[in-house]
Amino acid sequence: KQEVTQIPAALSVPEGENLVLNCSFTDSAIYNLQWFRQDPGKGLTSLLLIQSSQREQTSGRLNASLDKSSGRSTLYIAASQPGDSATYLCAVKAGANSKLTFGKGITLSVRP
Amino acid sequence: ETGVTQTPRHLVMGMTNKKSLKCEQHLGHNAMYWYKQSAKKPLELMFVYNFKEQTENNSVPSRFSPECPNSSHLFLHLHTLQPEDSALYLCASSLSWGADNEQFFGPGTRLTVL
Repeated sequence: KQEVTQIPAALSVPEGENLVLNCSFTDSAIYNLQWFRQDPGKGLTSLLLIQSSQREQTSGRLNASLDKSSGRSTLYIAASQPGDSATYLCAVKAGANSKLTFGKGITLSVRP
Repeated sequence: ETGVTQTPRHLVMGMTNKKSLKCEQHLGHNAMYWYKQSAKKPLELMFVYNFKEQTENNSVPSRFSPECPNSSHLFLHLHTLQPEDSALYLCASSLSWGADNEQFFGPGTRLTVL
């Protein structure tokens, strides 16, 4: 059974810092991996999707990497801003018609 | 209204009540999902409907009953719930079930069972 772990559960950093959020999964046979953002009281917004054949994806200040063999993904946020404060969730998919398996998320607070 | 909307946003109910959660998507999608997000637990998929047909039931207790009358609307009927059912219930939609179709989420209904 696939398990997705995100540690630490919470992180507080000063504005402007570059930071890395970690995600690990137990079964390396994945179809794709996604990073989501969830603001308080709101639903999820997809940030980046990495296919199993890819090593990384970039969008603006965000860069997500995937190392299937070690069961790890990282989300890199450059020059963090207070508006980046949110919970970041990682989710993996075992196959094209499989469900997403989520981690518990990392709650990020960026201090002005 | 755009995107995925959910009503009500907050709901408090007793264990003997019957209530329904509503989800509507304005994206022209054909797949709709119910998820449960409990405190300190990962987001869990409950049900999937693809072109109005239920394709996934993730071992959800029968006190949760989904209904999908058309591709734009999804309901979750609730009856004789337990306090441990208190959670944020999220609805999502995608173009269709499977592959790389991105899921778009609604804001959720915060449910409290007394």
